[in-house]
Amino acid sequence: GAVVSQHPSWVICKSGTSVKIECRSLDFQATTMFWYRQFPKQSLMLMATSNEGSKATYEQGVEKDKFLINHASLTLSTLTVTSAHPEDSSFYICSTLPRGQGSYNEQFFGPGTRLTVL
Amino acid sequence: TQLLEQSPQFLSIQEGENLTVYCNSSSVFSSLQWYRQEPGEGPVLLVTVVTGGEVKKLKRLTFQFGDARKDSSLHITAAQPGDTGLYLCAGEETSGSRLTFGEGTQLTVNP
Repeated sequence: GAVVSQHPSWVICKSGTSVKIECRSLDFQATTMFWYRQFPKQSLMLMATSNEGSKATYEQGVEKDKFLINHASLTLSTLTVTSAHPEDSSFYICSTLPRGQGSYNEQFFGPGTRLTVL
Repeated sequence: TQLLEQSPQFLSIQEGENLTVYCNSSSVFSSLQWYRQEPGEGPVLLVTVVTGGEVKKLKRLTFQFGDARKDSSLHITAAQPGDTGLYLCAGEETSGSRLTFGEGTQLTVNP
């Protein structure tokens, strides 16, 4: 499968600060990347779909001004949590959809970023 | 958004036992993927099923896609402690490449 990295793997920040999380596809070009959030003991919830060179598409209930997504290249997407609050503490996971995928779409996931807001 | 119900949510069994996890929906999916996730890590793809009625085997794991492509099951034979983890099903929506995830099944296999 495809290799996806995330940085940082964990981050602790103070309330009110902004945090940037990077998602990189290491061995392929990714036209589309997805950002998920996962709370303890729960499944993944899609936050937004990031398309290279265009604006991200956010899921209902996700504030686009709070969760800024930039997909400036075919190998990098970033998620910035602005003015983070304790309720934003979660496990953030990205996934990629390799370019030129076959007849069905398989997403490959990064290792996740644990965000803790104090 | 298409919904996917996964059951059971929690399963604790003894080593050597068999188990089945189910994912059901009223909607049709283009494909269905099964993932396994360890604590603090991202999901790892186990298998993708695409054709209605398809059955795929991965060692002791058997995956089945319903004839109508609305449901799927994962059967594990002779479970081992190393099978412990969170199992997630995810359906690819017919309207695009988005995945709808089930609630997950936390499996614990006791030695």
